[in-house]
Amino acid sequence: GEDVEQSLFLSVREGDSSVINCTYTDSSSTYLYWYKQEPGAGLQLLTYIFSNMDMKQDQRLTVLLNKKDKHLSLRIADTQTGDSAIYFCAEDTGRRALTFGSGTRLQVQP
Amino acid sequence: DTAVSQTPKYLVTQMGNDKSIKCEQNLGHDTMYWYKQDSKKFLKIMFSYNNKELIINETVPNRFSPKSPDKAHLNLHINSLELGDSAVYFCASRRDTFNSPLHFGNGTRLTVT
Repeated sequence: GEDVEQSLFLSVREGDSSVINCTYTDSSSTYLYWYKQEPGAGLQLLTYIFSNMDMKQDQRLTVLLNKKDKHLSLRIADTQTGDSAIYFCAEDTGRRALTFGSGTRLQVQP
Repeated sequence: DTAVSQTPKYLVTQMGNDKSIKCEQNLGHDTMYWYKQDSKKFLKIMFSYNNKELIINETVPNRFSPKSPDKAHLNLHINSLELGDSAVYFCASRRDTFNSPLHFGNGTRLTVT
């Protein structure tokens, strides 16, 4: 999307950590989301963070939010082959729809 | 058990035809959406309804017309299909118009030949 940017591709080895980055431009964003899309499927909500938080951890997932730099990251610990997918960040600015980034394709090599 | 379901999953049709995609959610959500995902995986909002009222109508050709008979259903009708309409169309819903996550259907892959 024109407001939310992500790198297009990330390749990691199985067992390593993956870090997917996202930058957004609307400082009024209230919630920021991470979605996962597997081939031929819809978008699955992974996690989200409220704008007054810096970090949120959920099992293997850690979300970091830097509001000053408008930077959001998703860290996946102990990455598995089943984590291979496209990951989208999205911002909720109160415009009544989510604005999505262009997606980062994560490839996990065995 | 399905939360957001859309039909059909695949739709192959010729240019100039008219087609519809249906969407239903059983989550009790008030707001429903149509997003279009192009070949580069970019997701763009098309329409949104809140309690059967149109609240988002992005720059989309008039050939696309959404219809919401009740708050659990949002259908998309496309007239005079063009090659450029080929994409994956996703239905989604959420509890409110903001500050809640979207729940997506599995998508309808439309191919116009």
